[in-house]
Amino acid sequence: DTAVSQTPKYLVTQMGNDKSIKCEQNLGHDTMYWYKQDSKKFLKIMFSYNNKELIINETVPNRFSPKSPDKAHLNLHINSLELGDSAVYFCASSHTGAVIYGYTFGSGTRLTVV
Amino acid sequence: QKEVEQNSGPLSVPEGAIASLNCTYSDRGSQSFFWYRQYSGKSPELIMSIYSNGDKEDGRFTAQLNKASQYVSLLIRDSQPSDSATYLCAKGGYSTLTFGKGTMLLVSP
Repeated sequence: DTAVSQTPKYLVTQMGNDKSIKCEQNLGHDTMYWYKQDSKKFLKIMFSYNNKELIINETVPNRFSPKSPDKAHLNLHINSLELGDSAVYFCASSHTGAVIYGYTFGSGTRLTVV
Repeated sequence: QKEVEQNSGPLSVPEGAIASLNCTYSDRGSQSFFWYRQYSGKSPELIMSIYSNGDKEDGRFTAQLNKASQYVSLLIRDSQPSDSATYLCAKGGYSTLTFGKGTMLLVSP
């Protein structure tokens, strides 16, 4: 009955590898997001999808590629991982109009690049 | 100027006291504001939202909004050690929320 679920919860990988993080929500929301939280706890928007369409793509290296097969799923693929990619990545979802309702966050994926 | 600013803290208060967390924002057009609580190693959890000037109360929590001063605050009455966490202020934008860096609150028994 988890509302927004992410897998994996922890990911340790070597520099240069390619990895994916998956996110699924069962809330019936039509908008999904990826946020990156750095070591100083700053949450920064990376991508936003509404009904499978990319609507926000912040200044993020093109090694990061989101993909939304349907409005309940949003995945994040990262190519050629770098040390600076180490962070916690949060998926979130909302009804259109997050400005009114706020988000529901997933439990996060702690990515460590060694 | 950062869009949403918070003092990183830590803010230390004794158990039973009132904790006051503050946030300022730069966009006068912002209409909605949120407070999230994040425990260490956990995801942010929405605790309050506020859209109109004035106070909004929910249990021990009171959110205050002053659009003229571009200022949002969160008061936690009768603070408990379980309230120790990082509190994130966020403002609503066109289609996303923009977060501050959060204030760490420590409530000592």
